[in-house]
Amino acid sequence: KNEVEQSPQNLTAQEGEFITINCSYSVGISALHWLQQHPGGGIVSLFMLSSGKKKHGRLIATINIQEKHSSLHITASHPRDSAVYICAVFPRKGAQKLVFGQGTRLTINP
Amino acid sequence: NAGVMQNPRHLVRRRGQEARLRCSPMKGHSHVYWYRQLPEEGLKFMVYLQKENIIDESGMPKERFSAEFPKEGPSILRIQQVVRGDSAAYFCASSLGQRGTEETQYFGPGTRLLVL
Repeated sequence: KNEVEQSPQNLTAQEGEFITINCSYSVGISALHWLQQHPGGGIVSLFMLSSGKKKHGRLIATINIQEKHSSLHITASHPRDSAVYICAVFPRKGAQKLVFGQGTRLTINP
Repeated sequence: NAGVMQNPRHLVRRRGQEARLRCSPMKGHSHVYWYRQLPEEGLKFMVYLQKENIIDESGMPKERFSAEFPKEGPSILRIQQVVRGDSAAYFCASSLGQRGTEETQYFGPGTRLLVL
């Protein structure tokens, strides 16, 4: 079993829909990254959070440390949001190496 | 402000040759990380370096792989005597380098290595 599990693995939706991607982890962590990998392969860091909630534009990330769960939400989804979204955790305080989920492939159809 | 730079973006090698992948961190960043993404698999940590020091190489294969981050110049990931199983995307990331805290890592565009 992977230390970081994402669901769903694949998600297809229509433009405008509200999107939720989930991340559960089995290890104690100190912080969590949400990353976006575009079809061309480049990786962009969307959020790093260790508690609560963060919002950037149409993206919202939440984390519940006690439940070992994080969610990434996209409001008013658009075809340009189509990408692979990856959850990655710092497995302990001060740790710098990331442990990654398998990614969620999101496709938004116009 | 230039982001993390990697070159080459694509590299083709024949079995037995050497591959050298370069990573220049963001300006002001002193920590570099290398990750590997095998085809149809997730990203995996390889090595974490500071200038002139390897901090954590627990993800590096024991043979043929080495990494350095010299005082001057880019970080280099070196793969000797490449095999087909080394074909993957290799990503470099960098962070500021504040000890004891988790930091946002900024990723480069990756080097796609194909071993024939």
